[in-house]
Amino acid sequence: SQQGEEDPQALSIQEGENATMNCSYKTSINNLQWYRQNSGRGLVHLILIRSNEREKHSGRLRVTLDTSKKSSSLLITASRAADTASYFCATDDDNAGNMLTFGGGTRLMVKP
Amino acid sequence: DTAVSQTPKYLVTQMGNDKSIKCEQNLGHDTMYWYKQDSKKFLKIMFSYNNKELIINETVPNRFSPKSPDKAHLNLHINSLELGDSAVYFCASSQGTHSSYNEQFFGPGTRLTVL
Repeated sequence: SQQGEEDPQALSIQEGENATMNCSYKTSINNLQWYRQNSGRGLVHLILIRSNEREKHSGRLRVTLDTSKKSSSLLITASRAADTASYFCATDDDNAGNMLTFGGGTRLMVKP
Repeated sequence: DTAVSQTPKYLVTQMGNDKSIKCEQNLGHDTMYWYKQDSKKFLKIMFSYNNKELIINETVPNRFSPKSPDKAHLNLHINSLELGDSAVYFCASSQGTHSSYNEQFFGPGTRLTVL
């Protein structure tokens, strides 16, 4: 199975609700990143959390990292219809070339 | 003033043909990448290229060859296209090789369809 697996695969909520997405990985990492992909577009970087950090905030985004469980979560508070997108976690495990390993993504739909 | 651009956006071609996808970044980044996203949205790294050092994902067939004329460009050439090559290909760049600078900036993607 893949490094960086997201859960759930799909999530549908009402505008104003919070959305939580989880990511699990297998190897030791330097950092973990979250990206958003709107339909038909490229990925956009949201937030990077280093392996020695436990929580990070950026606007309505809150990311946690538990290296003992090899898991991370992305919380979007007070969701908006514009948050509808796929969200991917990606891990940097100190490999040559700084290549990121992406999970399969969570497809979030926020209904107005 | 697009940061990472790719051409073409769409590419439809016959099996067996050879094609290239071009990528340019104007961010002054040192490292560029190619990713493949399949129909199930799984995104897989293909190559990383930094200061003329090429790191290849070992699962990538040798029909795929990246070419970097300079630091701002990383093109992807594909020989003898196969049906399974149909996917969206994304170029990306990052500032450097240190993990702290590994935030990656993605291009809009090239949708390749092999008939």
